[in-house]
Amino acid sequence: AQKITQTQPGMFVQEKEAVTLDCTYDTSDPSYGLFWYKQPSSGEMIFLIYQGSYDQQNATEGRYSLNFQKARKSANLVISASQLGDSAMYFCAMRDSGGSNYKLTFGKGTLLTVNP
Amino acid sequence: EAGVTQFPSHSVIEKGQTVTLRCDPISGHDNLYWYRRVMGKEIKFLLHFVKESKQDESGMPNNRFLAERTGGTYSTLKVQPAELEDSGVYFCASSQHQGAYNSPLHFGNGTRLTVT
Repeated sequence: AQKITQTQPGMFVQEKEAVTLDCTYDTSDPSYGLFWYKQPSSGEMIFLIYQGSYDQQNATEGRYSLNFQKARKSANLVISASQLGDSAMYFCAMRDSGGSNYKLTFGKGTLLTVNP
Repeated sequence: EAGVTQFPSHSVIEKGQTVTLRCDPISGHDNLYWYRRVMGKEIKFLLHFVKESKQDESGMPNNRFLAERTGGTYSTLKVQPAELEDSGVYFCASSQHQGAYNSPLHFGNGTRLTVT
């Protein structure tokens, strides 16, 4: 079974608008962490934001926030006030212990394009 | 602190040749991971070192791939002999804590391998 699902292969957004990138996950482990990474065209993987399974509040990091809905098993990334430099691939990932030994498991990614 | 560094950034080799990729993790990080992203597909786990020991190599595709981490510092990933399907981007990542679901992996910029 796929552990991380990103249903949007590509997304477009106008500069200065907000955009939501979807991510759903599957785990039976009560302890897990959810991560978002950004991969610009230059290739590096940049850690953006983390949400723990026991966290009561949604994580925020500057213009990034994570809309964590535990019952729905979703962890959508919200980017506010999009900038041209936000154009990149975005990967949702999860770490849990159940059978994965805390390996980081990735979704297929969403290619975000910010239009001027 | 210096991040995870990988060398080379790009490598183009012919089928049947040997290539060795190197990764220097963040100083003090005992955990070192190798991941691979084949074009258009998700990022896949290859293996995990804790210091110099292989903790999990379940993602290694076949015996043409050999990873080492002598002395628990830098790691090498050798592909011998390379095949066309080995083309992709090879990422190395490190983290401080092993059994911690809330610890992000810090990635290097990756090595883009092209086998012709």
